[in-house]
Amino acid sequence: EILMTQSPATLSVSPGERATLSCRASQSIAINLAWYQQKPGQAPRLLISGASTRAPGIPARFSGSGSGTGFTLTISSLQSEDFAVYYCQQYNDWPRGTFGQGTKVEIK
Amino acid sequence: EVQLVDSGGGLVQPGGSLRLSCAASGFTFSDYWMSWVRQAPGKGLEWVANIKQDGSEKYYVDSVKGRFTVSRDNAKNSLYLQMNSLRAEDTAVYYCARDVTAITGDYFDYWGQGTLVSVSS
Repeated sequence: EILMTQSPATLSVSPGERATLSCRASQSIAINLAWYQQKPGQAPRLLISGASTRAPGIPARFSGSGSGTGFTLTISSLQSEDFAVYYCQQYNDWPRGTFGQGTKVEIK
Repeated sequence: EVQLVDSGGGLVQPGGSLRLSCAASGFTFSDYWMSWVRQAPGKGLEWVANIKQDGSEKYYVDSVKGRFTVSRDNAKNSLYLQMNSLRAEDTAVYYCARDVTAITGDYFDYWGQGTLVSVSS
């Protein structure tokens, strides 16, 4: 099983600042990585697939990068609606798409 | 507009059974693999099961094999999860999700709102 590790667990950021979230895979997953955003009481929302391709309707301030075992989600200028929990998910290991434990982005 | 509406959750005793449903609309349901993903209270996400477009292939996370059964009715645009021999550790919000099938695996582009399953005596 491929293990996904996200860091940090909590990120405190001021509105308008940049946020950088990390996700590491226990073995190479090429670019088979997705990022999701989840707000309290809501279902997850797909942000990015293929490590760097934004889903339809996702603002350009969200960007993804990385390949192999190391990946980054960057939010260039945090808006109030971006404070949420973010999960990465690998889909290189059919059919078991494992998720990271999440990074909570909170208001500083 | 793609919509997935989850239902069927509730409180059940350990060892009991429950059947979850997911009603899909706004897309051609029979064209997609579908999954169930769960989230224990205050915890992260865990893929549970998925099913091929025609129902001919099904896969499960090890912890539910032999206890849970995923099925679908394409005529009714519905996905189901039959959960038997429930345990306290199955307590979670269960989401149905539409799979985007890549060469190596699936990710999820649409999610239901979730239905809460609580297993407790």
